[in-house]
Amino acid sequence: DTGVSQDPRHKITKRGQNVTFRCDPISEHNRLYWYRQTLGQGPEFLTYFQNEAQLEKSRLLSDRFSAERPKGSFSTLEIQRTEQGDSAMYLCASSLEGNNEKLFFGSGTQLSVL
Amino acid sequence: GESVGLHLPTLSVQEGDNSIINCAYSNSASDYFIWYKQESGKGPQFIIDIRSNMDKRQGQRVTVLLNKTVKHLSLQIAATQPGDSAVYFCAENRITGGGNKLTFGTGTQLKVEL
Repeated sequence: DTGVSQDPRHKITKRGQNVTFRCDPISEHNRLYWYRQTLGQGPEFLTYFQNEAQLEKSRLLSDRFSAERPKGSFSTLEIQRTEQGDSAMYLCASSLEGNNEKLFFGSGTQLSVL
Repeated sequence: GESVGLHLPTLSVQEGDNSIINCAYSNSASDYFIWYKQESGKGPQFIIDIRSNMDKRQGQRVTVLLNKTVKHLSLQIAATQPGDSAVYFCAENRITGGGNKLTFGTGTQLKVEL
């Protein structure tokens, strides 16, 4: 499978715990995006990387959230001191920069904070 | 404020009929629009896109129409099949000079009845 893969698919944690998600993009894609989706809503942009550089962060991304893409390939999204409001689907997408840029999404990580 | 919205939360159609899903947008500066399909437990899947210099674009069984005068976007699915049952999102690309940071609408649930 050469699509975007995310791990884990599901994560249940207790409030206050830290969690980390991983995204492996399509190999030739230089851009990587993180989105968050709550039930019944469309995905909301969180942040994106071009190669290893994090170029933009949404106001939704509080200081408890941090994302990295150290080698310009896979990325991790960490949430510290999780809150119940963090419960959502966290989606990763990748793309190839250009005039015809299209985002390809992974299946997401469903986070439940108890 | 700027937003992308959908007229109907749920659309039920008979198998074999044509489906039309509508979307309104408010940012006249947007120049790129995309339709995604999302099945339960999966990430959004790219269907078709259109640029603001076009009024219509056709794919396999799908057609996207763009009316810039009234800021309206529609997705037409011909001969709807059970496998088309999903939530459909329109999304727009805000022109900010970097990244394809899509803004998604709430979504329309398409139900195909046998």
